[in-house]
Amino acid sequence: GESVGLHLPTLSVQEGDNSIINCAYSNSASDYFIWYKQESGKGPQFIIDIRSNMDKRQGQRVTVLLNKTVKHLSLQIAATQPGDSAVYFCAENKDDSGYALNFGKGTSLLVTP
Amino acid sequence: GAGVSQSPSNKVTEKGKDVELRCDPISGHTALYWYRQSLGQGLEFLIYFQGNSAPDKSGLPSDRFSAERTGGSVSTLTIQRTQQEDSAVYLCARGTRGNTGELFFGEGSRLTVL
Repeated sequence: GESVGLHLPTLSVQEGDNSIINCAYSNSASDYFIWYKQESGKGPQFIIDIRSNMDKRQGQRVTVLLNKTVKHLSLQIAATQPGDSAVYFCAENKDDSGYALNFGKGTSLLVTP
Repeated sequence: GAGVSQSPSNKVTEKGKDVELRCDPISGHTALYWYRQSLGQGLEFLIYFQGNSAPDKSGLPSDRFSAERTGGSVSTLTIQRTQQEDSAVYLCARGTRGNTGELFFGEGSRLTVL
């Protein structure tokens, strides 16, 4: 079935480096994408979103890139900090008729000193 | 916080027992979601409530699972005759006003079925 997925299950980066987390999706009808961050023992927390009429959106230290041609989404974190260590999920619109989001399995980001 | 309170935070039960999980969002948000997160996995959509519309139950894994939302606010997820594979964290989320699709999650109810 249609789904979102992650290229890498884990990512280890050094403090201060930039991080790139990738996500592939298969539903060409998806028009809305969100990145969530989940710290241990907590619920996911919204980071940034992007609609399909955009290919880039920037937030505070984060940038989301969308390539609709290859159905690929990425989250870039600048100057990664220890507090960025978490699991990151991409999510897409489940379908055109509702707002239930379809989540990928997540990438675990570990920031080392 | 995220304006979503879930209880209990942890529940250990024996196989075959029924469990009820509660979600209490702050008022004023008509959209409410239940997701399940198994160990090391992503979030699996279960059910979605939007205002007075019929809920989207397409994600419920079996007829042992049901959910209701009373008065447009508090929601209860019920799992009957629990099985070990039901062990997971059950997350409730509220939708924002407008159309952004951003969800605000509670901290979840961790269910362990022995």
